[in-house]
Amino acid sequence: DTAVSQTPKYLVTQMGNDKSIKCEQNLGHDTMYWYKQDSKKFLKIMFSYNNKELIINETVPNRFSPKSPDKAHLNLHINSLELGDSAVYFCASSKRTSIYNEQFFGPGTRLTVL
Amino acid sequence: QQQVKQSPQSLIVQKGGISIINCAYENTAFDYFPWYQQFPGKGPALLIAIRPDVSEKKEGRFTISFNKSAKQFSLHIMDSQPGDSATYFCAAKGGGADGLTFGKGTHLIIQP
Repeated sequence: DTAVSQTPKYLVTQMGNDKSIKCEQNLGHDTMYWYKQDSKKFLKIMFSYNNKELIINETVPNRFSPKSPDKAHLNLHINSLELGDSAVYFCASSKRTSIYNEQFFGPGTRLTVL
Repeated sequence: QQQVKQSPQSLIVQKGGISIINCAYENTAFDYFPWYQQFPGKGPALLIAIRPDVSEKKEGRFTISFNKSAKQFSLHIMDSQPGDSATYFCAAKGGGADGLTFGKGTHLIIQP
């Protein structure tokens, strides 16, 4: 009955590889997000996706690409991984039409690039 | 450019005391201000949120105070308990953007 789930929880990979992180929400929300939390715990928005409208934070390298097969899923693909990509990645979701637009976060995926 | 500034970076409070965390924002288009609580190894969890049309919101032991003219808001945790020990983030949203802009977090320790 988890609201926002992510897989895998841990991901260790070599520099230069391509990897994906999956996210699913069962809240019936219409907007999904990816956030990056760095080693100093700073949380930063990477993408928001609503009904095929993608908003990209301009600081995100184009090696990162979100893909949404349906409204309940927003996966994150990362090409040519670099050491600096090591971080915890959080998926979140919300209902845009709700008054407060509360965002609910998944448990995170800790990515380590060696 | 950091649009939401949070202080202090770390805070130690005795059990039963009041924990106070402050945030200041720059973007006047922000219209939604949530606070999140994060335990080690977990995702941020929404604690309480406020819109700028009210100056205070209380939920149990947690209170947000909001000062629109000063562009500041704060979280007060009354009767702080060891279980409240966590990292707290303030955030803001608005101006047509869906994503949250977070402060840098406050590591709160409640000593028994």
